[in-house]
Amino acid sequence: EPEVTQTPSHQVTQMGQEVILRCVPISNHLYFYWYRQILGQKVEFLVSFYNNEISEKSEIFDDQFSVERPDGSNFTLKIRSTKLEDSAMYFCASSALGLAGGTSYNEQFFGPGTRLTVL
Amino acid sequence: GENVEQHPSTLSVQEGDSAVIKCTYSDSASNYFPWYKQELGKGPQLIIDIRSNVGEKKDQRIAVTLNKTAKHFSLHITETQPEDSAVYFCAARTDSWGRLQFGAGTQVVVTP
Repeated sequence: EPEVTQTPSHQVTQMGQEVILRCVPISNHLYFYWYRQILGQKVEFLVSFYNNEISEKSEIFDDQFSVERPDGSNFTLKIRSTKLEDSAMYFCASSALGLAGGTSYNEQFFGPGTRLTVL
Repeated sequence: GENVEQHPSTLSVQEGDSAVIKCTYSDSASNYFPWYKQELGKGPQLIIDIRSNVGEKKDQRIAVTLNKTAKHFSLHITETQPEDSAVYFCAARTDSWGRLQFGAGTQVVVTP
C-alpha cells in the first residue's frame, strides 16, 4: 500500500540553525501539506501546496518557514533559524485529485512524522 | 476560524464494551469530518469520515454520526478490542483541499 514517508524520524538542532525536513508524498498525489504537533497539544496546520505554489498558510507559517518541491518526488519544509518553540512533531500529508466513486477521494494521508528538538 | 473541541481527553473501556468520542465545531461552513487514529510512533491514519450531506456512516465496528444543527459529531466504536487502544483525533474542513482543523485528541485504552 502506498504511503507517505518522512526523513529523518528525529532531528536535534541548536537554536538558530537551519533545518530541512523531508517528505516523499504518495506518487500520484498533487496536494501536499505540513502540520505540526507540539507535545501535548493539537495537530496544527502549517501550509498547503499545490501546483508548485502555496495554496494556504496559517499564522504559524511566518517568514522563517518555507516549502519546496525540488523534484518530482520530494516535498520539503525548511525552518531558517530555529527557535526553542519550534520543537514539535512535524507531519507531512498528501492528497489526490478527485477520483470517481463514493470513497474519500480527497483524504489526506499522513506520514509518520519527524520529531524536531531544538536545544 | 474553525475551532474543534473534543471530549473526553482520555477514555478507558473494558474489552468488548463500546467507546464514544464527541466533537463540536464552530464554523457552520465545515462540510467534511474525518476521524484519525494515531498509534505510538506513527502518523495519523484515517479510519472513517463523513460529509455534511450524510447523518451517519458505519464501517464494521466503527460509526460516525453528524448533527449539523448542533454542530457536533461523534465516533462510536463497538465491541472494543485491545488493538483499538490509540489516540483518536477528530477534524473538520470547510473546502475540499483545505486545512484540517483537529481536535485535541482522545487517548483510548482498552483493557482485557
